[in-house]
Amino acid sequence: QKEVEQDPGPLSVPEGAIVSLNCTYSNSAFQYFMWYRQYSRKGPELLMYTYSSGNKEDGRFTAQVDKSSKYISLFIRDSQPSDSATYLCAMSGLTGNTGKLIFGQGTTLQVKP
Amino acid sequence: SAVISQKPSRDICQRGTSLTIQCQVDSQVTMMFWYRQQPGQSLTLIATANQGSEATYESGFVIDKFPISRPNLTFSTLTVSNMSPEDSSIYLCSVEDPDRGHEQYFGPGTRLTVT
Repeated sequence: QKEVEQDPGPLSVPEGAIVSLNCTYSNSAFQYFMWYRQYSRKGPELLMYTYSSGNKEDGRFTAQVDKSSKYISLFIRDSQPSDSATYLCAMSGLTGNTGKLIFGQGTTLQVKP
Repeated sequence: SAVISQKPSRDICQRGTSLTIQCQVDSQVTMMFWYRQQPGQSLTLIATANQGSEATYESGFVIDKFPISRPNLTFSTLTVSNMSPEDSSIYLCSVEDPDRGHEQYFGPGTRLTVT
């Protein structure tokens, strides 16, 4: 079993739709949760960072962390064609190397005009 | 947030040779990380490089194959040694921004193809 599970998709939605992306994890020691967006042939770009459980909103993006269920989500409202990319969840905070990020497989999103 | 650059952006190398990848940050950072992203895959941590100490390697990665230098708080290099086609990947460095807790930022990556 992978430490972090993420459905690779692809996920295709019409412009303006609400997108829901999810990851589950097995190690309850994770403390920091991140979502990255990666365009083709580019490095990952940090979208959202959350510490422990709770919600965080930034513009059209909302990140949710439920540590009791070991489940994190990213919601994108009013999706745009420019949101078409691969979205990676990542987690860190393990004893011994708090900076080590464990990534999900990534979900490929296509937003159609 | 920290701005990270990498050189080269891409390279095509022959089997058996070595390539050194540079990572430059525009501010001083304590922790730098090197990741590998194989074709169609997610990112895997190779090693953690802290200034003034030896790099710490993850399981499956060894210093002889991936030597790392960290001469100061803004710069690091990763060398991919004695390359084989299986080393064809994107190599990325990242840093924790000391002003932003555990947020981690990535460079643009180095796309390596080994023939």
